[in-house]
Amino acid sequence: NAGVTQTPKFRVLKTGQSMTLLCAQDMNHEYMYWYRQDPGMGLRLIHYSVGEGTTAKGEVPDGYNVSRLKKQNFLLGLESAAPSQTSVYFCASSRIWTGGFNTGELFFGEGSRLTVL
Amino acid sequence: TQLLEQSPQFLSIQEGENLTVYCNSSSVFSSLQWYRQEPGEGPVLLVTVVTGGEVKKLKRLTFQFGDARKDSSLHITAAQPGDTGLYLCAGENYGQNFVFGPGTRLSVLP
Repeated sequence: NAGVTQTPKFRVLKTGQSMTLLCAQDMNHEYMYWYRQDPGMGLRLIHYSVGEGTTAKGEVPDGYNVSRLKKQNFLLGLESAAPSQTSVYFCASSRIWTGGFNTGELFFGEGSRLTVL
Repeated sequence: TQLLEQSPQFLSIQEGENLTVYCNSSSVFSSLQWYRQEPGEGPVLLVTVVTGGEVKKLKRLTFQFGDARKDSSLHITAAQPGDTGLYLCAGENYGQNFVFGPGTRLSVLP
């Protein structure tokens, strides 16, 4: 059972370079999310998607773009990386939306550690 | 200012001890979740609480949602090294947003 798979797991970039993180889920979930995790800050939502072809901004969207062309994939792009984007990035998916009384369980990938020099 | 605060930030205890960690907010939450994250892994859901005053047990872990739905606690009885990890609370405040707390990093020494 693969669940949520993220690639790559590690990446080092120079300031100004671009890259794409790929997230794939095999649970047929409608909802997908990208979070970043920084020490003492918890997980902060970057962008999310409520279904194929849809994307929306989260709490910290600046400097990132996303696409969800296929239901099972959610891509996170950095067009011009900055040192402030050094972080661990987590993709998650859920069957039920993370809102309301029936908050859905989030299934996370193993994370992608990005360092921007 | 974070919507969810967790305390303590770090906790190191010996195997067999009991402990309680806390998740607090000034906001009311419709539901609250606890996740555990081990090094190099993504968080994994432990429990969801939705009713004020609700208590749920998962083996040696006891979760409580405050009566006013603004806080929650996680109590671990007879901690084991396998309990080591980062414990995150996360909550949804009535359609405004779903947020994570900063976490409590627990280390259980054998």
